[in-house]
Amino acid sequence: IAGITQAPTSQILAAGRRMTLRCTQDMRHNAMYWYRQDLGLGLRLIHYSNTAGTTGKGEVPDGYSVSRANTDDFPLTLASAVPSQTSVYFCASSHGVNTEAFFGQGTRLTVV
Amino acid sequence: DQQVKQNSPSLSVQEGRISILNCDYTNSMFDYFLWYKKYPAEGPTFLISISSIKDKNEDGRFTVFLNKSAKHLSLHIVPSQPGDSAVYFCAASLHNNDMRFGAGTRLTVKP
Repeated sequence: IAGITQAPTSQILAAGRRMTLRCTQDMRHNAMYWYRQDLGLGLRLIHYSNTAGTTGKGEVPDGYSVSRANTDDFPLTLASAVPSQTSVYFCASSHGVNTEAFFGQGTRLTVV
Repeated sequence: DQQVKQNSPSLSVQEGRISILNCDYTNSMFDYFLWYKKYPAEGPTFLISISSIKDKNEDGRFTVFLNKSAKHLSLHIVPSQPGDSAVYFCAASLHNNDMRFGAGTRLTVKP
């Protein structure tokens, strides 16, 4: 049982480079989410998707883009990375409205 | 502007005693509330939830209380066990799947 798979698990990235964090779920969940976790700030929502073909902005969407071409995949792209995007990124999915979310193991990204 | 706030960054309790973790929110449109537990180097895992139409939900040693008028919820763990030591996140969801988290409270249960 895989659940949610994130890749890579960690990455060191030069500032200004483009990076895509991958997220795949095999639970056929409708909703998917990207969060970043920073010390003292908890988990902050970047983008979410209610269903394939739709996306929405969360609390901290600037500098990030997402796409939801199908149910299983929800990649997060940093078009031009900056050091303030150094964080641990978590992808999650849920069956639908008002249901619990299942999280991946996280991607630790360091932008230098 | 964080809409979900956990004002206690840490809590330490003795094994066997009650742990009470608190959470406040500002958006009255939130209609579903959840608690997650997180161990180091792992993703958060779901613990318990409550709908806005209820004021209490219990699951074993874990009980969540919701006070809508005060925009406050709490998680009670009784009895606390050393394995409960983790970071606990409160989360609140809007009906459109926009789910927001607090900053977390690190619980330490001492043997």
